[in-house]
Parts: sequence; structure tokens; C-alpha cells
Amino acid sequence: EVQLVESGGGLVQPGGSLRLSCAASGFSFSSYWMSWVRQAPGKGLEWVANIKEDESAKYYVDSVKGRFTISRDNAKNSLYLQMNSLRVEDTALYYCVRSVAGFDYWGQGTLVTVSS
Amino acid sequence: QAGLTQPPSVSKGLRQTATLTCIGNNNNVGYEGAAWLQQHQGHPPKLLFYRNYNRPSGISERFSASRSGNTASLTITGLQPEDEADYYCSAWDSSFSAWVFGGGTKLTVL
Repeated sequence: EVQLVESGGGLVQPGGSLRLSCAASGFSFSSYWMSWVRQAPGKGLEWVANIKEDESAKYYVDSVKGRFTISRDNAKNSLYLQMNSLRVEDTALYYCVRSVAGFDYWGQGTLVTVSS
Repeated sequence: QAGLTQPPSVSKGLRQTATLTCIGNNNNVGYEGAAWLQQHQGHPPKLLFYRNYNRPSGISERFSASRSGNTASLTITGLQPEDEADYYCSAWDSSFSAWVFGGGTKLTVL
């Protein structure tokens, strides 16, 4: 059974940093693109970033470029999102998602709240 | 990075048919096609279709999807109360090298 479990969310002040983690199991993690997708409270879905199987390609939504960094450790079956210079508008539930011509498996999400 | 266009809401009666639309352009929906996701309140989204009409295992055959040019469509026949949810389309945009989502359509089953 495919499982994606996010962690690392919490309350942070504007300008602060957080590192999200996602533990993957039940599939060959190193064979799949992975993404982070977020959803602000009461709002729609927004793709944040994705990363190729071997980390040779990474893409970001414009609003996080230069502030967020996606990475992975295939030996640990883990996906990460380093978030710096956080803004109030980054407040959202962050999902770890397996990306296969779409988004076929989702975690339950980890909540990031940016507030003073 | 402009998103895809979906109607905010659609309402249909029980056992009726609902068709949801998603309008993009040549660089996204018209490029590699669209994916559709269903999200019930308080739950993560669930993939219904990828690359226009490919259905993952376990998805009901009451759901179908298609694409015509830069418009993708999701059709749900024989509407049931459990179909009431938010529906999102998504596509890879080759001009931005980014995934884009529609704003979502809230489907209400009357």
C-alpha cells in the first residue's frame, strides 16, 4: 500500500523558516517524480514544486522561487521542502504527492501557519 | 503562471448527469492533456483521470473524461450523494515548466 506521511509543519513568524519532510513507503520511491502541493484554508489547490527521480530536474511555482527548495533522499525514501523567508500567504496545508502524469497518491498533509 | 478556468459551482439532481469543464491553452490542456481530481471536504484529493481520459483502477465507470482542443471535460452520470465534492483539473504547462490547477468546481447534488 502506497503511503505518504508528511511532517514538519507548525506556526512560524513571517520571515522564518521551516523544513517539511515526507516519508514514502509501499512503492519504489526512486522511480517517481514527486511534488509538493498546497491548499490555503478554504481555497483551491496550488502546485508548489516537483523533483525528478534522480534530482536532475526541479521546478517551482513563481511565488516560491528563491525561497523554497525541494530535495529528496532516495536511500531514505524521503522528500523534503525547505521553506525560507516565509510569508503570511504561504499559510496552507502542504501535501506530499506522487506525480505520475497527474497526482496519483497524496499524503494527509502538514499544516503551515505563518503569523506574527 | 496563469491557471486553468473552471466554473465555481454546478448543481444537478440525483441520478442526473453533470459535465464539468476546464479551459486552458495550447501550452497546458492542449499540450499533454488534463488530469481530474475529486476532493471531499476534509480529505486529500483523489485522482480520477490523467492525460485526458485514462482512469486509474478503482474509479467508477460513472465517471468519464475527454478533451476537445484546449478544453477538458469531466462527465459524471447517475449522480449520487457521494459525488458531491470539489473537482479540480490540472495540467503541465510547457511554457512555464509548471503544473497549473483550475480554481475548482463545487458540485452539489440536489
